[in-house]
Amino acid sequence: DAGVTQTPRHEVAEKGQTIILKCEPVSGHNDLFWYRQTKIQGLELLSYFRSKSLMEDGGAFKDRFKAEMLNSSFSTLKIQPTEPKDSAVYLCASRLGTNSGNTLYFGEGSRLIVV
Amino acid sequence: AQSVTQPDARVTVSEGASLQLRCKYSSSGTPYLFWYVQYPRQGLQLLLKYYSGDPVVQGVNGFEAEFSKSNSSFHLRKASVHWSDSAVYFCVLSAGSGTYQRFGTGTKLQVVP
Repeated sequence: DAGVTQTPRHEVAEKGQTIILKCEPVSGHNDLFWYRQTKIQGLELLSYFRSKSLMEDGGAFKDRFKAEMLNSSFSTLKIQPTEPKDSAVYLCASRLGTNSGNTLYFGEGSRLIVV
Repeated sequence: AQSVTQPDARVTVSEGASLQLRCKYSSSGTPYLFWYVQYPRQGLQLLLKYYSGDPVVQGVNGFEAEFSKSNSSFHLRKASVHWSDSAVYFCVLSAGSGTYQRFGTGTKLQVVP
């Protein structure tokens, strides 16, 4: 089975641009997560979808970040407009269901640099 | 409130030596606890997880972790580390159906010759 696929792997954007990151979860998984990873803050939850419904929107990230799940096999994270402080690795993860013991499967991440 | 603390940001160990990475948790309910590993330029991968039963749980690549309810800890151990174990290790807590997982800040392990 394919794992979690994220595209692009690398992106360089100018300040003020709109960026769309993409994620394909593991087939059959019902939960999907977006995280931002930086050296200073570590892993921060951006959004959590359960069966395509948004369950958590990461509070502090509402302003310029919007995650969508148009169908069960595809999600996007839009950052608009980008700022230099958005430079980070964006990780997508999926899990089978809401059982707390279910393993998270991560993509390799999208590395964003905003100049 | 649910939280996870990894007190050591960096750990350096000689190849062949034993390893312990520390993790403390706080949970109002019965927790699921996980250790994930992140190799350079990769996503996170599961090493092991614990919910109940034997407090010592075995994982991949010779890793094990011991759950202690009295100490609120879930420390990761390995008897003999290899240079390829150099990575960032995350302790993760999940409690309550439908909730998302809380990540520790990670411990960067460097294995030196």
